[in-house]
Amino acid sequence: DAKTTQPTSMDCAEGRAANLPCNHSTISGNEYVYWYRQIHSQGPQYIIHGLKNNETNEMASLIITEDRKSSTLILPHATLRDTAVYYCIVRPYSGTYKYIFGTGTRLKVLA
Amino acid sequence: DTAVSQTPKYLVTQMGNDKSIKCEQNLGHDTMYWYKQDSKKFLKIMFSYNNKELIINETVPNRFSPKSPDKAHLNLHINSLELGDSAVYFCASSQEGSALGTDTQYFGPGTRLTVL
Repeated sequence: DAKTTQPTSMDCAEGRAANLPCNHSTISGNEYVYWYRQIHSQGPQYIIHGLKNNETNEMASLIITEDRKSSTLILPHATLRDTAVYYCIVRPYSGTYKYIFGTGTRLKVLA
Repeated sequence: DTAVSQTPKYLVTQMGNDKSIKCEQNLGHDTMYWYKQDSKKFLKIMFSYNNKELIINETVPNRFSPKSPDKAHLNLHINSLELGDSAVYFCASSQEGSALGTDTQYFGPGTRLTVL
């Protein structure tokens, strides 16, 4: 089972920031939080990952709470092309190299 | 250049047939994966190979047999296809053993398998 919970769906107006929450209350100390997205049945695409510090790259920002039990992915200026299913994944640190994808959040960016 | 490629993109076949899906990555990664995404859109890992050695083998029927001739290729052969095998199959690759937590996976475009 996935170790994360996310809202099923969200809407966001084009040009506004999209804030996608993720709950991972059972995360352990050496597990990372990863975000991927899947645009209309294409292969999932990596967005960003973090351990405990906030992270930013050219696609998004990742805010992780101090207790690491939840995080928020921020798309600062959502465009129509950001419409996708967004997956929050906690990667098990056991050397098994396994990602467990949950149901994700279906983000719809509205014109 | 496509980083992770899969062939074919679409595959329509009859029950009971045997088929193969090919995957190639040109990223120099040492680990490759096969995922299955069913009609309900759940994405589940099936297999993983690291340097041509099987390291993850989830609960998958033994009709599914991955083969890795070299680090850059991981093919999926399916025997005696069943209706329930209809899904989109994604190949992915990553570089394991790099700095902790940085094993980003790169996915192929998927192969849509339809079993009639």
